[in-house]
Amino acid sequence: KAGVTQTPRYLIKTRGQQVTLSCSPISGHRSVSWYQQTPGQGLQFLFEYFSETQRNKGNFPGRFSGRQFSNSRSEMNVSTLELGDSALYLCASSWARGDLETQYFGPGTRLLVL
Amino acid sequence: DAKTTQPNSMESNEEEPVHLPCNHSTISGTDYIHWYRQLPSQGPEYVIHGLTSNVNNRMASLAIAEDRKSSTLILHRATLRDAAVYYCILRVYTGGFKTIFGAGTRLFVKA
Repeated sequence: KAGVTQTPRYLIKTRGQQVTLSCSPISGHRSVSWYQQTPGQGLQFLFEYFSETQRNKGNFPGRFSGRQFSNSRSEMNVSTLELGDSALYLCASSWARGDLETQYFGPGTRLLVL
Repeated sequence: DAKTTQPNSMESNEEEPVHLPCNHSTISGTDYIHWYRQLPSQGPEYVIHGLTSNVNNRMASLAIAEDRKSSTLILHRATLRDAAVYYCILRVYTGGFKTIFGAGTRLFVKA
């Protein structure tokens, strides 16, 4: 079974631009979570979607948003990019309930903001 | 917010057991303890999880203290492929679930 895929894998943007990252979960998985990983802050939870609804959100500004489609694919958007948004963005999917189910992580999208 | 505390790094010899500790003194009764590991240039991968009782699977064992304020991930025989950053994670329910990552422990395995 195919794993979690994320596109693009690498991205370079400039300050002030916006970016959209995509995540395709494992077939059958309905929960998708997004995380930001930086050397200074480590792994931080952004948000979780289940059946097209955002169930929970981490402590990130409103510039970070996401959505989930009916086929469980998810996108996250960052508007008005700042230098500090440079990070590895990871997506994880699980079957039904993120609390108990194993999360399967994708390889991540590495974003560099210049 | 609930948080976890782990040593920055640990070292082990190949073929020896490794005990990776984690403190989570602010854990609530409904919070699950998960362990993930991250190999270089990869996303994290699931290792094990538990609530109150000790757990075993083919990869590792998880020992949870009676008061649940700490836990220990046990790798029974470390191999070079186990060299990774190990994260102790709380799955916290706040109307929906969110994951609180610790800083992780970098495990070095010596041949």
